[in-house]
Amino acid sequence: AQSVSQHNHHVILSEAASLELGCNYSYGGTVNLFWYVQYPGQHLQLLLKYFSGDPLVKGIKGFEAEFIKSKFSFNLRKPSVQWSDTAEYFCAVNKKSSGDKLTFGTGTRLAVRP
Amino acid sequence: DTEVTQTPKHLVMGMTNKKSLKCEQHMGHRAMYWYKQKAKKPPELMFVYSYEKLSINESVPSRFSPECPNSSLLNLHLHALQPEDSALYLCASSRQGFVAVTDTQYFGPGTRLTVL
Repeated sequence: AQSVSQHNHHVILSEAASLELGCNYSYGGTVNLFWYVQYPGQHLQLLLKYFSGDPLVKGIKGFEAEFIKSKFSFNLRKPSVQWSDTAEYFCAVNKKSSGDKLTFGTGTRLAVRP
Repeated sequence: DTEVTQTPKHLVMGMTNKKSLKCEQHMGHRAMYWYKQKAKKPPELMFVYSYEKLSINESVPSRFSPECPNSSLLNLHLHALQPEDSALYLCASSRQGFVAVTDTQYFGPGTRLTVL
């Protein structure tokens, strides 16, 4: 069965610091990759996604992620975080052959100090 | 427009009650999903409907009964729940589901359920 690992459970940063959140998946086949964000009290929102093509994907709010196939990774980055980025971030994966079954990582709770 | 709506926002019910959660989308999506999210945990898939037919049931107890009356609506009927079923129940939709090799799920705000 596929699984998704997010090794950083809690991250605390000061504003303007750079962010990198790790995501690794176990499935060896062709996958689609997603990052979702859940702001306090709000619903899950799509930050960015990778289906194919350029492995460096740009999303909303200045976030980007890089797909490294050889490392089974899809790390999320942002050069300079803001207080408003405080949220929980989930990496998610599904197999291209079964596009409906989305598996989420355990999430990373990010707190940005003003 | 990528809006999925869910009602009610909050629900408190006793273990002998029968209640229903409702989810609606008007994006023309043909796949709809129910997830359960416990506090500080990721969402866990419960059910998938694709073209109004149940395509995935992740071994969910029968006290949860999904229903898809049409392509825009998804219900989750609840009966004889346990306190451990208290969680945030999320609905999502996507354009095609399993028939597509690339598809994106859009989530509603959820219903926060408390079982007493």
